[in-house]
Amino acid sequence: AQSVSQHNHHVILSEAASLELGCNYSYGGTVNLFWYVQYPGQHLQLLLKYFSGDPLVKGIKGFEAEFIKSKFSFNLRKPSVQWSDTAEYFCAVSPGNNRLAFGKGNQVVVIP
Amino acid sequence: SAVISQKPSRDICQRGTSLTIQCQVDSQVTMMFWYRQQPGQSLTLIATANQGSEATYESGFVIDKFPISRPNLTFSTLTVSNMSPEDSSIYLCSVEGQGVVETQYFGPGTRLLVL
Repeated sequence: AQSVSQHNHHVILSEAASLELGCNYSYGGTVNLFWYVQYPGQHLQLLLKYFSGDPLVKGIKGFEAEFIKSKFSFNLRKPSVQWSDTAEYFCAVSPGNNRLAFGKGNQVVVIP
Repeated sequence: SAVISQKPSRDICQRGTSLTIQCQVDSQVTMMFWYRQQPGQSLTLIATANQGSEATYESGFVIDKFPISRPNLTFSTLTVSNMSPEDSSIYLCSVEGQGVVETQYFGPGTRLLVL
């Protein structure tokens, strides 16, 4: 069965710092990759996704993620975080059948 | 993206009882999904519910414990039956986006505590 690993469950950083969240998955075939975000008190929202093409994908709010097939990774980045980026971030993988497998999430706290 | 609502938003239940969670979407969707997020764990897919057919359950989940209804293209229910404290979780429904294949949008979740 596919699995998704997210490390450093709790991340604390200051405003303007750069953020990188790692996501590794175990699945041998073609996959669709997603990052979701859940802001405090809000629904889970789609941040960005990768299906094919340019492995560097840009999402909302200045986030981007890079798919590295050889490393089975889909890391999320933002060059300069804001207090409003405080949220929980989830990586998810699907082999193309809508059956999403999620990582455990990264709780990110941005200190003003 | 679709607007999804769930009822109840939270509940506290006694063991041995059952709770039915409703999921309402503001547009017609083919595929609806139910997930569980246990404390400290990731979201886990329970089942896929398509209108007009039986729900498809993932490994480890069975219809007797989590019966699902999908009477039309905008509504679904998940029942958590004969609850135990291990069923304490957040239950979320999601839908596949209209015209956005393989992309799911999530409801607000139902927070369940079983005593």
